[in-house]
Amino acid sequence: GAGVSQSPSNKVTEKGKDVELRCDPISGHTALYWYRQRLGQGLEFLIYFQGNSAPDKSGLPSDRFSAERTGESVSTLTIQRTQQEDSAVYLCASSLRGQRVETQYFGPGTRLLVL
Amino acid sequence: AQSVAQPEDQVNVAEGNPLTVKCTYSVSGNPYLFWYVQYPNRGLQFLLKYITGDNLVKGSYGFEAEFNKSQTSFHLKKPSALVSDSALYFCAVRDGASNTGKLIFGQGTTLQVKP
Repeated sequence: GAGVSQSPSNKVTEKGKDVELRCDPISGHTALYWYRQRLGQGLEFLIYFQGNSAPDKSGLPSDRFSAERTGESVSTLTIQRTQQEDSAVYLCASSLRGQRVETQYFGPGTRLLVL
Repeated sequence: AQSVAQPEDQVNVAEGNPLTVKCTYSVSGNPYLFWYVQYPNRGLQFLLKYITGDNLVKGSYGFEAEFNKSQTSFHLKKPSALVSDSALYFCAVRDGASNTGKLIFGQGTTLQVKP
């Protein structure tokens, strides 16, 4: 079946502009995560959605970052007034909650470059 | 604080030889551990996970991992390396302080398999 998809695959923007990144999770997966991967580093958790519950936003680095999810489908991550330090790969993952320890399945990521 | 350490930035091995990629962890509660692989310009692919039970976990592509509670380690292994195994490998632990299932990742280890 189809995996997690993300768009765009690459985004180049100028400092100060807003960007919107999209994630389509695996159909039926109730949980959705956003992570950030800076060059040469591991992944940092950003935000988590589960069904209609309040999202866990504890990983968002600043109030310029926000995310939304409509029900159990598409999610968008928005970065306002982008800065050069926002340059990174943004990865989305989804999982099926209800298992004892669910496995997260990742999309290919969006590579963001802020000039 | 919960954390994952991958002490080697890079591991070099000859094709056909056994390989080990090291991972140690620090976590509160039960350790739920994961290995993912990332090929260039791709997202993370799930290899295997440890929940409980047998300390030797078998995963995709012939990989396995050995859980050692006393040493707080979860090393990734393969009996005979292939050139196509060359990639970036991440160890991760589920954040035991959160009920969201978010993962804490190591910095990654680049595996280079030479013919």
